[in-house]
Amino acid sequence: QSALTQPASVSGSPGQSITISCTGTSSDVGSHNLVSWYQQHPGKAPKLMIYEASKRPSGVSNRFSGSKSGSTASLTISGLQAEDEADYYCCSYAGSITFVVFGGGTKLTVL
Amino acid sequence: QVQLQQSGPGLVKPSQTLSLTCAISGDSVSSNTAAWNWIRQSPSRGLEWLGRTYYRSKWYNDYAVSVKSRITVNPDTSKNQFSLQLNSVTPEDTAVYYCARGGGHTSTWDFDYWGQGTLVTVSS
Repeated sequence: QSALTQPASVSGSPGQSITISCTGTSSDVGSHNLVSWYQQHPGKAPKLMIYEASKRPSGVSNRFSGSKSGSTASLTISGLQAEDEADYYCCSYAGSITFVVFGGGTKLTVL
Repeated sequence: QVQLQQSGPGLVKPSQTLSLTCAISGDSVSSNTAAWNWIRQSPSRGLEWLGRTYYRSKWYNDYAVSVKSRITVNPDTSKNQFSLQLNSVTPEDTAVYYCARGGGHTSTWDFDYWGQGTLVTVSS
């Protein structure tokens, strides 16, 4: 069982927007702004899409955005495209004993 | 552009030591802003951070509690790479292992560059 809770799957049609939630606790997401999101296509390494809850790395489409409220972080993808179909994982710093926790992943299907 | 190239065996016998290496190009293992991590992924455990090494005037390591008694992450400055050793492996350690860089931004806890992944199977 993963430390951060994500929905197992979400889906949307091309052009629509979807949001993936990531629920943690006061020890991880709730205590730090160090939440990151990763996109993973089958057989590939994860790719950083959002860091520090809401910042986008250079080269990542502005269709991807992140936010955080309390112990829940969210990833929103607007203007869905077929290439967005992938698994998405959230990750949070969890203090100097546990260090890092991941979510169980959400499979995004573009209908 | 940072690139991480992993190498190491894909099959390890139970009770033996898993050893992987991650060669760095485009950055330095001795960087004062980066941290060099090992992360694994399996169907049963999902993504799991294992440990890291980093240099801030001296070398530091951090390890996940779940593997702390069995893991060593070491830098090799002469080859600009770092390694993972995981002792006393069991079939539960079967996973795809990734190396990854942290520290491309303000924090070292987001992982902006990843190796290609190595499937390590623990089996006799």
